[in-house]
Amino acid sequence: EPEVTQTPSHQVTQMGQEVILRCVPISNHLYFYWYRQILGQKVEFLVSFYNNEISEKSEIFDDQFSVERPDGSNFTLKIRSTKLEDSAMYFCASTVRGKARYTGELFFGEGSRLTVL
Amino acid sequence: SQQGEEDPQALSIQEGENATMNCSYKTSINNLQWYRQNSGRGLVHLILIRSNEREKHSGRLRVTLDTSKKSSSLLITASRAADTASYFCATDAESGGSYIPTFGRGTSLIVHP
Repeated sequence: EPEVTQTPSHQVTQMGQEVILRCVPISNHLYFYWYRQILGQKVEFLVSFYNNEISEKSEIFDDQFSVERPDGSNFTLKIRSTKLEDSAMYFCASTVRGKARYTGELFFGEGSRLTVL
Repeated sequence: SQQGEEDPQALSIQEGENATMNCSYKTSINNLQWYRQNSGRGLVHLILIRSNEREKHSGRLRVTLDTSKKSSSLLITASRAADTASYFCATDAESGGSYIPTFGRGTSLIVHP
């Protein structure tokens, strides 16, 4: 069964360092998302991506964050200068459609746990 | 905020009992989805109910939607220890023509064997 894969599963970094989290969405999906979940808290929307550009982003997704799809398969989230409060589980998700009247189900990866020291 | 809010925050039951979780939201929706998350894992889609539907079943899951009250419920019948997980509702928030599923804090369900 097709699945969304994320790497790394866990990354520990020092404050101020750059981090890149990688995702391989399901191949025929067109819409991609990053969410994050601070331990025990709600799942927060960061950004959506469609047609090689950002579709929507939340207030959390500030200038320290960027996304790209460098090669048509990988979908990456970069945090330029990590802060302690960036420590969270980051989830990538993809779906077939997002602009239609009814959204389809999101398929989530297993997440990348980021620990900023 | 459009996001759904689940209630209760935590639920502890015995195996075989039914578990009911509720979700409330603030503005009109096109659809509402329920997801499950095992500890430390990704979210898994359970069921989607559209705004023109009132009830939907999938195996031991029953979802209801009351758009007049802006609420939904997820019922798990004959619960099993393996149902232990967090359950989230997601409502779609329109933004610039896109629909962004937004999640609440979830209900943490523990089913004791």
